Amino acid sequence: DTGVSQDPRHKITKRGQNVTFRCDPISEHNRLYWYRQTLGQGPEFLTYFQNEAQLEKSRLLSDRFSAERPKGSFSTLEIQRTEQGDSAMYLCASSGGPGETQYFGPGTRLLVL
Amino acid sequence: AQTVTQSQPEMSVQEAETVTLSCTYDTSENNYYLFWYKQPPSRQMILVIRQEAYKQQNATENRFSVNFQKAAKSFSLKISDSQLGDTAMYFCAFRASGTYKSIFGTGTRLKVLA
Repeated sequence: DTGVSQDPRHKITKRGQNVTFRCDPISEHNRLYWYRQTLGQGPEFLTYFQNEAQLEKSRLLSDRFSAERPKGSFSTLEIQRTEQGDSAMYLCASSGGPGETQYFGPGTRLLVL
Repeated sequence: AQTVTQSQPEMSVQEAETVTLSCTYDTSENNYYLFWYKQPPSRQMILVIRQEAYKQQNATENRFSVNFQKAAKSFSLKISDSQLGDTAMYFCAFRASGTYKSIFGTGTRLKVLA
């Protein structure tokens, strides 16, 4: 299957710890997106990459968050000094080609204790 | 700033019946895309249907169709012949042309009853 994949699917961590999530987009897609989804809400945009360049960042992305896409393929999202408010589902999506429809991965569910 | 509103937090429909989910949006853009995504329980979000704002014809994908009213900024989803597998959260989303950030509504939880 060549869909968007994310790892890990679930992460439980203690407040103050650092966590890193990985996203592998559909191989031919040059754009990659990160969204955050809290319970009962729709996804909220965090950031997106075109190839390796990070072109837009939401104000939701505090200084504790950093995202990279070093070779224009997979991406990582790191959260430093996690807080309980960071508990959410982190969704990755990718797009490319006509229409730029975004295809989503299964998400990483983060729980900060 | 663009906003997307889904005013129906939950809906239910009998199997084989038709249901319509509502979505309104606010934008000053003239060119944009609208989407309906489906998120089944504990499964990933998938695209159901998309509509380009410049197209007057309403999009249709098998049992799914939209009623796009540009002047009213309304974009409803009609599901015909509802199936148990249609049970899911449905999200309406907006994206302005030339941008890549999608704005999502809060979702409608649809339950199809046997």
